[in-house]
Amino acid sequence: DAGVIQSPRHEVTEMGQEVTLRCKPISGHDYLFWYRQTMMRGLELLIYFNNNVPIDDSGMPEDRFSAKMPNASFSTLKIQPSEPRDSAVYFCASRPGLLNNEQFFGPGTRLTVL
Amino acid sequence: EDQVTQSPEALRLQEGESSSLNCSYTVSGLRGLFWYRQDPGKGPEFLFTLYSAGEEKEKERLKATLTKKESFLHITAPKPEDSATYLCAVQGGDTGGFKTIFGAGTRLFVKA
Repeated sequence: DAGVIQSPRHEVTEMGQEVTLRCKPISGHDYLFWYRQTMMRGLELLIYFNNNVPIDDSGMPEDRFSAKMPNASFSTLKIQPSEPRDSAVYFCASRPGLLNNEQFFGPGTRLTVL
Repeated sequence: EDQVTQSPEALRLQEGESSSLNCSYTVSGLRGLFWYRQDPGKGPEFLFTLYSAGEEKEKERLKATLTKKESFLHITAPKPEDSATYLCAVQGGDTGGFKTIFGAGTRLFVKA
C-alpha cells in the first residue's frame, strides 16, 4: 500500500487566492482527519470524517476553510480566500476503523501564503 | 479544557545514555493516550496507544507507561537514528468522538 497520499507537497500562493489541498486515504480506512501544524500552535485537528460524512469540524478556524469527502478515496481541504496566517503544514491522516486507534499520516502539504 | 503538556521541549543525549520524556495531561474520561514519532519534513508515525493507568508498552528501545496524570516515554540506550520529535496526544470525554489533542512535542537529539 502506498500509504496516505497528499498533493501538492508544496504550495506557494498570494493572499486572497483560493487554495485546494488533496488527500487520498489508505484504501479500506473508514476515518479521515485533516490537521494543521505550526510552530506556534503545534498539531491541531481541523475536521474529521467517518465513512465520508463530516463528524466534527469544530477545529476549522473560520468560514474561509471548507472540507469535502465526495467518496471513500478522496478528500479536499479548501481555503478561500487565503491569508498569510494560514501558512502551515497541512496533514491528512486515515484510520482503519472503530477498534483500531492508529492514525496513518500523509507526508503533508507545506502551504505558504505571501 | 483538555490539555497536553510535554517536557522537556528539547533533549540532547549521547548514544547509549538512557532517559525519559514526560507527557502530562488533563482530560475528563481518558479514552486513549498516544505516542507518535515525527521526523523532519514527514508526518507523525504512530508508536503506542495506552488506555489505563498502569499499562505499559514496548517497542525496541522505547517503552511507554501511563499513570492517571502523565505518561512517560523511556528510551533505553538510544541511537542516533532515534533522533526525532516525539508527540503525545489524548482522546477524552471533553473532546468527544475521535478528536485528538496533541502536545507540542519533545525534540530528541542523540549524538554518536
